Amino acid sequence: GENVEQHPSTLSVQEGDSAVIKCTYSDSASNYFPWYKQELGKRPQLIIDIRSNVGEKKDQRIAVTLNKTAKHFSLHITETQPEDSAVYFCAAWTFRRYTGGGADGLTFGKGTHLIIQP
Amino acid sequence: EAGVAQSPRYKIIEKRQSVAFWCNPISGHATLYWYQQILGQGPKLLIQFQNNGVVDDSQLPKDRFSAERLKGVDSTLKIQPAKLEDSAVYLCASSYDRGQETQYFGPGTRLLVL
Repeated sequence: GENVEQHPSTLSVQEGDSAVIKCTYSDSASNYFPWYKQELGKRPQLIIDIRSNVGEKKDQRIAVTLNKTAKHFSLHITETQPEDSAVYFCAAWTFRRYTGGGADGLTFGKGTHLIIQP
Repeated sequence: EAGVAQSPRYKIIEKRQSVAFWCNPISGHATLYWYQQILGQGPKLLIQFQNNGVVDDSQLPKDRFSAERLKGVDSTLKIQPAKLEDSAVYLCASSYDRGQETQYFGPGTRLLVL
């Protein structure tokens, strides 16, 4: 099955600086890669996603890049603010309806605790 | 639109007791997932439903966990008997259909087994 590795586990940056979180995946059939932000005691919230036919996607201060050949994708947050402090999860998704079965559920990385220092 | 609803939000039980969680997905969503999130880790898929059928339950510890979605809408996840290592947040998520990647998560049920 799919395996997703995420680094670093903790990232501390000064307010206003950029933060980068990196993930690798193992299943070349994975074709959708979302990023979730989870604040303490709350549900995971989708913040950005990218599909395998796209190399980069940007939404205001957040961007995601995907390298299918190397099987890695990254989250970039620029001009970080205190409200960006949270745990961020990357995930990979494979649609298996026609490839022998199995779940279409997301495989998550272990998370990165992002701390924004004032 | 209303989000995914879950109850209860918190539950404390002793080991060997049983517990049940309930999930109501977003209206019209055919696909429902149950995830287990242990403290400090990412969510792990336990079971996936498509309408009232099971797509995959290979990660569900079937000796103690069971889940159903009898009418293809609400779902319940049960643990009997609970073990200490079952302490986790149980997240329910739904998507419009299997081909729709975007999943919407509920607030979760935080379970503590003593």
